Amino acid sequence: QVQLQESGPGLMKPSQTLSLTCTVSGDSVTSGSYYWNWIRQPAGKGLEWIGRIYISGYTNYNPSLRSRVTMSVDTSKNQFSLTLTSVTAADTAIYYCARDLAAAGHFDYWGQGALVTVSS
Amino acid sequence: DIVMTQSPDSLAVSLGERATINCKSSQSVLSTSNNKNFLTWYQQKPGQPPKLLISWASTRESGVPDRFSGSGSGTDFTLTISSLQAEDVAVYYCQQSYNTPRTFGQGTRVEIK
Repeated sequence: QVQLQESGPGLMKPSQTLSLTCTVSGDSVTSGSYYWNWIRQPAGKGLEWIGRIYISGYTNYNPSLRSRVTMSVDTSKNQFSLTLTSVTAADTAIYYCARDLAAAGHFDYWGQGALVTVSS
Repeated sequence: DIVMTQSPDSLAVSLGERATINCKSSQSVLSTSNNKNFLTWYQQKPGQPPKLLISWASTRESGVPDRFSGSGSGTDFTLTISSLQAEDVAVYYCQQSYNTPRTFGQGTRVEIK
């Protein structure tokens, strides 16, 4: 059974750097069949794809966030991570990690989500 | 970016009746290389992450009740719940994976009338 679990700071102040980690169990981030994604959802609103990373280190970011986003993979811990710089209140959201089949692009497994609140 | 537009934004349907949600993409998501539509439907209940219901526009995922069906091709797609059950109350999203950035529709809230 594949499981993903996000972990992160919860509460942040404007201008800080957000770091989130997704721990994968039941699968390996080194699997060549999948991309590992971050998606966010402000309270009561829709879903926004942030970006994805492949085991090779290849990344693909949403142009709307590209200047502030970095993703990485830690194969020793079977984790992948998101870094978002210079956060503002507009970055307040539930952040999900999700797996997608490289040949298909749909998200078959999701974490439960991590709420990140940016407030002064 | 491919813009995904769902209609309606919300609908209320009686138990046992049909619910129909539409999704339109700003450009075709049909791949000429494999003749598949890169269109996915998700169901999201309160406090939960989205759940994959239907991929490739019409392929139901394992364990998804057969009252859920997807149809359409190119730019116009439909999710149908043939006989609405109480547990189907949720927000439904379409998503394209034809190219990046991946984009979602704004969501359609389904409620019981």
